[in-house]
Amino acid sequence: GESVGLHLPTLSVQEGDNSIINCAYSNSASDYFIWYKQESGKGPQFIIDIRSNMDKRQGQRVTVLLNKTVKHLSLQIAATQPGDSAVYFCAEIDTGFQKLVFGTGTRLLVSP
Amino acid sequence: SAVISQKPSRDICQRGTSLTIQCQVDSQVTMMFWYRQQPGQSLTLIATANQGSEATYESGFVIDKFPISRPNLTFSTLTVSNMSPEDSSIYLCSVDFVTNYGYTFGSGTRLTVV
Repeated sequence: GESVGLHLPTLSVQEGDNSIINCAYSNSASDYFIWYKQESGKGPQFIIDIRSNMDKRQGQRVTVLLNKTVKHLSLQIAATQPGDSAVYFCAEIDTGFQKLVFGTGTRLLVSP
Repeated sequence: SAVISQKPSRDICQRGTSLTIQCQVDSQVTMMFWYRQQPGQSLTLIATANQGSEATYESGFVIDKFPISRPNLTFSTLTVSNMSPEDSSIYLCSVDFVTNYGYTFGSGTRLTVV
């Protein structure tokens, strides 16, 4: 099988629970942030993004919160489903340099 | 968003050989990026490839080991040269197609070096 997420921190939740995945970013000049979902055998898939002039953005069942003071990003998934099981990465970018830098990732396991 | 096709999707290679990975995008993009994802790890940027200029490599990656071509605005290749088992990773292509979809990624090339 694929080895994505094998050695990453793991969050285990029950189906229907709300999940919160946290990420600390490193560059205070980063002005654009993206959460990606990576399923086994696939490339990262865009979930939601947020720009530095915002502190919250909502999508379908997902919310991203940005705290620039402490350089912290979180992804909230409402009513987590087994299909949400994957590895989640935050990524930051200083759009002046256009290089996307990935965080370490969190493996989400959703039990039925 | 852009559609990215990577070839091959996976390969098993002998040490000492080289493998060239292709990345094809269905629309013209300015910048293309190559990432490496070692087993159980996050993604690390190898280099940025702009059409018409030499690729820009990140610290720890050199052109002799990872030569990159970018002949036009829809295509790029990454070669992994003189491979060793430590090169076993997933190699991913990404483009700066920033619309509402962030940076778009291909599905990756899963390389195993034996």
